[in-house]
Amino acid sequence: GENVEQHPSTLSVQEGDSAVIKCTYSDSASNYFPWYKQELGKRPQLIIDIRSNVGEKKDQRIAVTLNKTAKHFSLHITETQPEDSAVYFCAAGGSNYKLTFGKGTLLTVNP
Amino acid sequence: NAGVMQNPRHLVRRRGQEARLRCSPMKGHSHVYWYRQLPEEGLKFMVYLQKENIIDESGMPKERFSAEFPKEGPSILRIQQVVRGDSAAYFCASSPPSGSYNEQFFGPGTRLTVL
Repeated sequence: GENVEQHPSTLSVQEGDSAVIKCTYSDSASNYFPWYKQELGKRPQLIIDIRSNVGEKKDQRIAVTLNKTAKHFSLHITETQPEDSAVYFCAAGGSNYKLTFGKGTLLTVNP
Repeated sequence: NAGVMQNPRHLVRRRGQEARLRCSPMKGHSHVYWYRQLPEEGLKFMVYLQKENIIDESGMPKERFSAEFPKEGPSILRIQQVVRGDSAAYFCASSPPSGSYNEQFFGPGTRLTVL
């Protein structure tokens, strides 16, 4: 089955800096890669996703890149703000609709 | 348009009791997924259901766990004879019937504590 590795497990940045979180996946059949943000005690919220026919997608301060050959994808957050502090999860999905999640990255943005 | 609803939000059970977790998908969504999240862990897929059908239950333990999504009413995740290791947050997600690939929207979760 699919296996998703996520790094780093914790990331601390200063407000205004950029943050990058990286994920690798194992199943070449995976074609959908969402990113979720989860605040403490809350539900995971979809913040951006990318499909395998696209190499990069951007939404304001958030961007995701996908390298299908290397089987890795990354989340980039620019101009970080304290409210970006949360746990971020990457996931990979295929035609079976099942999502396999990474273990998460705790992002702390220091004012 | 209400999001995915789950109840109860918190559930406390003693070992050996049964736990029933309910999930109502977003309006117009016919696909339901259940995930389990242990403390400081990612979400682990348990089961994927459509109305009256279990499509994929490969992530669900073979014993004590069952799930259903009846024609009417919410999806139910049932855990019989709970043990301490079942303590976790259980999240339900739903997605539209077609088109949007795997785009899944999550409910607020049920936090199960087994004493």
